[in-house]
Amino acid sequence: AAGVIQSPRHLIKEKRETATLKCYPIPRHDTVYWYQQGPGQDPQFLISFYEKMQSDKGSIPDRFSAQQFSDYHSELNMSSLELGDSALYFCASRWRGSSSYNEQFFGPGTRLTVL
Amino acid sequence: QKEVEQDPGPLSVPEGAIVSLNCTYSNSAFQYFMWYRQYSRKGPELLMYTYSSGNKEDGRFTAQVDKSSKYISLFIRDSQPSDSATYLCAMSAVAGTALIFGKGTTLSVSS
Repeated sequence: AAGVIQSPRHLIKEKRETATLKCYPIPRHDTVYWYQQGPGQDPQFLISFYEKMQSDKGSIPDRFSAQQFSDYHSELNMSSLELGDSALYFCASRWRGSSSYNEQFFGPGTRLTVL
Repeated sequence: QKEVEQDPGPLSVPEGAIVSLNCTYSNSAFQYFMWYRQYSRKGPELLMYTYSSGNKEDGRFTAQVDKSSKYISLFIRDSQPSDSATYLCAMSAVAGTALIFGKGTTLSVSS
C-alpha cells in the first residue's frame, strides 16, 4: 500500500539559512499534519491542513510557514534556521471520510541538521 | 505536568514474554487513543487505535482503554525480537485534531 512520502530524507543547513520540507500524503487523504520530534522527545504538533486550508496550529515558530497545494501535498518552509531546529520532522496524513477514528499515518520523516 | 505520561523504560524482556505498556492522561476529553511503534530513526507506525473505552485485539496485540481511570494499555503476547522498538501512545479529544503523544517506552526483546 502507498505510504506518506517525505523529501528530502536528510537535510543539512547552516544557521540562518532556509529549508523547505515536502510531504506527499497517501492517495485520497485530504488532511496533512506536521510534527517535530527532537532527540529523545515525543512528536510535537506544528500545524495541519484540510482541503488546502489551515485547520489547526500548534507550537510552530513564526519563522516557519506551511501550505497545502491543490494536489494535497504540503510544504513546510523554515527560515532563519537555529541550532534548536535540528530534529526529525514528520508529516502525517488522514482521510476525513474514512471513519470516526482519528488515525493518522506517518511518513518516514526528514532529518534536519542545523550547523 | 504533561497531558500524557508514559514510562520511558527501557523495558527488557525475553522472547515469548507478555509485555504491558501503559500511559496515563489528565484530559478527560480525550476519546481517541492510538499506539504507534517507532523503530530507530523511522516514522511512527500505527499499531492500534480505539475510540472511547474498551478493548481491541489484533493478533498478538491488545489495546485497553479505561477512561474512568484515565489509563490506557497495550499488551503484546509472545513477544519477538522484531518487537524491539519504541512504543508511543497518542490521543486526542476530537477526530481530525492533533495527536498528543507520550514520551514513548523503549522495548527490547532478547532471543
